[in-house]
Amino acid sequence: DIQMTQSPPTLSASVGDRVTITCRASQSISTWLAWYQQKPGKAPNLLIYRASNLESGVPSRFSGSGSGTEFTLTISSLQPDDFATYYCQEYNFFSRAFGQGTKVEIK
Amino acid sequence: EVQLLESGGGLVQAGGSLRLSCEASGFTFNTDAMNWVRQAPGKGLEWVSVISGSGTHSNTDYADSVRGRFTIFRDNSKNTVFLQMNSLRAEDTAIYYCAKARADSSTWYPPFDYWGQGTLVTVSS
Repeated sequence: DIQMTQSPPTLSASVGDRVTITCRASQSISTWLAWYQQKPGKAPNLLIYRASNLESGVPSRFSGSGSGTEFTLTISSLQPDDFATYYCQEYNFFSRAFGQGTKVEIK
Repeated sequence: EVQLLESGGGLVQAGGSLRLSCEASGFTFNTDAMNWVRQAPGKGLEWVSVISGSGTHSNTDYADSVRGRFTIFRDNSKNTVFLQMNSLRAEDTAIYYCAKARADSSTWYPPFDYWGQGTLVTVSS
């Protein structure tokens, strides 16, 4: 089974910081990767699809990159609304596996 | 505006059954694949099941953890997708989200572009 591993599990940052989250796949998934943001008590929200494509309505400070087995989500200038948990998800395989999440906290 | 509204969650004993519903609006329901994704308390996300969109026969898929116990089906006349859950186990305890598959013909397994607010299922042992 494919495994998706995110790092770090928790990240402490300040408003205005540049933030990078990494997602590694145990097998190549080409660019079949999505990123979601989830706030406490809310459903996830799709940010990025196909590794680097910004979903409609998502602020341009979010960007994604990578292919194969290593991917990154970058927030260019962290805003108060961005403190949340972020998940990657592969959609190359039947399992549609998610990473375990990265919580972005206020420093 | 796309809206997905789940219902049917609750407390059930291990071995019991529950049926979840998700009523959709704001898009052409019969053409889009619909999914269920769950999240155990304080844990990450797990895809559960999918049912394909238009066609006289909808294809379905299940995660290994629920195959043989859960059944997904849809009623396009009511814009509703269902998840029938039988032989429930304590490890099925989770918030269950209904999620619409992003329209993308380039992949068999598109990501999820709209989600409901979730419905909590608690299985007591």
